[in-house]
Amino acid sequence: DAKTTQPTSMDCAEGRAANLPCNHSTISGNEYVYWYRQIHSQGPQYIIHGLKNNETNEMASLIITEDRKSSTLILPHATLRDTAVYYCIVRVGPGTSYDKVIFGPGTSLSVIP
Amino acid sequence: DGGITQSPKYLFRKEGQNVTLSCEQNLNHDAMYWYRQDPGQGLRLIYYSQIVNDFQKGDIAEGYSVSREKKESFPLTVTSAQKNPTAFYLCASSIRMNTEAFFGQGTRLTVV
Repeated sequence: DAKTTQPTSMDCAEGRAANLPCNHSTISGNEYVYWYRQIHSQGPQYIIHGLKNNETNEMASLIITEDRKSSTLILPHATLRDTAVYYCIVRVGPGTSYDKVIFGPGTSLSVIP
Repeated sequence: DGGITQSPKYLFRKEGQNVTLSCEQNLNHDAMYWYRQDPGQGLRLIYYSQIVNDFQKGDIAEGYSVSREKKESFPLTVTSAQKNPTAFYLCASSIRMNTEAFFGQGTRLTVV
């Protein structure tokens, strides 16, 4: 199974861009990178996903390096409501019978006024 | 509205008792998952199921059991064999091929 590593915690000033890194050096060629976030005591919320191209939606941008061994989630203008734990995961088992979704400890982002 | 529903939101149980957590989805998803989360920790996979009548152990299956008799339902039983059952439990579902997982709002289980 591919694993991810993320910093334990990060701070970001309100209104500034939050850049959350993720390493996934053992990712396979057909595995996607997904980002979720979890606000305290709620279910995780899907943010964005990508395979090898950069992606952008209304919530965030995802930058994946050319070798796909790392990625960065960008929240362009962080607000206090973006304070949450952010999970970077890779989907294991695509194309096979079993598709597990495995989470690491994530990055606790604190947006500071 | 389509979604995934967990019940109850809060659950208390006496030590030594089994308890079953409900998870229902009307998204027509094949895959369903159960996670456990402890304070300050990430999500750990307990069990997962790809199709009806089939399920697999995750990383921390000991002391838990599941069933998948219907596509929409994936109940989790926390048995008395689980040594530290107090935790936040999350259920999720997904279409098989690389789509996002949808999560319920969780059940907070407290053993008293």
